[in-house]
Amino acid sequence: EAGVTQFPSHSVIEKGQTVTLRCDPISGHDNLYWYRRVMGKEIKFLLHFVKESKQDESGMPNNRFLAERTGGTYSTLKVQPAELEDSGVYFCASSHLLAGAYNEQFFGPGTRLTVL
Amino acid sequence: DAKTTQPNSMESNEEEPVHLPCNHSTISGTDYIHWYRQLPSQGPEYVIHGLTSNVNNRMASLAIAEDRKSSTLILHRATLRDAAVYYCILRRLIQGAQKLVFGQGTRLTINP
Repeated sequence: EAGVTQFPSHSVIEKGQTVTLRCDPISGHDNLYWYRRVMGKEIKFLLHFVKESKQDESGMPNNRFLAERTGGTYSTLKVQPAELEDSGVYFCASSHLLAGAYNEQFFGPGTRLTVL
Repeated sequence: DAKTTQPNSMESNEEEPVHLPCNHSTISGTDYIHWYRQLPSQGPEYVIHGLTSNVNNRMASLAIAEDRKSSTLILHRATLRDAAVYYCILRRLIQGAQKLVFGQGTRLTINP
């Protein structure tokens, strides 16, 4: 079974440009999460999709970030316009939707974003 | 989410057991204790979780104190591939509340 995949693995852009990160979850996983680690900080939650709906977007830093999950399959995270402080590693994770039960999150390898 | 406290770093030797401690004095009755680890240049991966009783799986063991205010992740025979940052995370099983709250974790170094 294929794991969570993320594209691109690295992205280097200039301040003010737009970048779109993509995440393909494990097939059949209804839960999809975005996290990020900025330099020297802890991994922080950004948002959580259940199928195509945003369940929790409390971690989104500001309105320059837009996440979508059309059709409840893959997800994109767009940063527009990118700022220097957006540099970091963006992780995507997915899990089964099991009501009332614990479900392990499977993480992708991350996208390293560098904003110059 | 309740807070956990872990040592910043630990060091051990290959093929020896490793005990990674975690304090969670404000844990509530419905909090599960989870451990994830992040190997170099990879995303985090699940290791083990438990509620009250000690747990074993192919990767590790989890020993939970009787008062649940602390726990220990045990790697029985560390290998070089176990070098990673280990995160102790509390999760409350509330419908829809599934995010992970990461702390700084413990950076484990394994010496050959």
